[in-house]
Amino acid sequence: AQSVTQLDSQVPVFEEAPVELRCNYSSSVSVYLFWYVQYPNQGLQLLLKYLSGSTLVKGINGFEAEFNKSQTSFHLRKPSVHISDTAEYFCAVSESAGNMLTFGGGTRLMVKP
Amino acid sequence: EPEVTQTPSHQVTQMGQEVILRCVPISNHLYFYWYRQILGQKVEFLVSFYNNEISEKSEIFDDQFSVERPDGSNFTLKIRSTKLEDSAMYFCASSEPGTLRMEQFFGPGTRLTVL
Repeated sequence: AQSVTQLDSQVPVFEEAPVELRCNYSSSVSVYLFWYVQYPNQGLQLLLKYLSGSTLVKGINGFEAEFNKSQTSFHLRKPSVHISDTAEYFCAVSESAGNMLTFGGGTRLMVKP
Repeated sequence: EPEVTQTPSHQVTQMGQEVILRCVPISNHLYFYWYRQILGQKVEFLVSFYNNEISEKSEIFDDQFSVERPDGSNFTLKIRSTKLEDSAMYFCASSEPGTLRMEQFFGPGTRLTVL
């Protein structure tokens, strides 16, 4: 069975500062990895995904993530955050195409002026 | 840009009543999913649906739940006799056939409140 752990439930950060949201997973097979963002009162929007190839993945809104197989991690980073990045961020894994996503508990990013 | 839509946005019901949550997936997608998020908890998978049948379901998806694709556009989740613990945000998602089906597109959700 697969599982996802997001170690930080909340991350407060000042505007224009860098941020890293941590995600670790466990699975007995190879996985596909995703980061979704949920703005208040909205659905989940895909930020980026890792399927194969380069371990550094770039997504929308200036976010990027690095897949580290040995550490079973897929941390999300942004070099300079904006107020508009305030949202809930979810890491998710899937073991194959068309299969269920298993989500982490989410990290609330709070960007302060 | 095509998107997944869900109705209603908020549903309030009495315990024991039946509810039907509706979703319109993106038109060329063939894989459909339901997830739920209880307030303050993680998003949980309920069921996936392909080729007019359930392809995968979680332990949460018991006999009280059912899904249907009644026509070419809608995808519904029915809860036969709601319980207080069914109160949650329910998200529908869909994905394309082929290698692109790794990306699941989510709707805005239906907030179900069971009183």
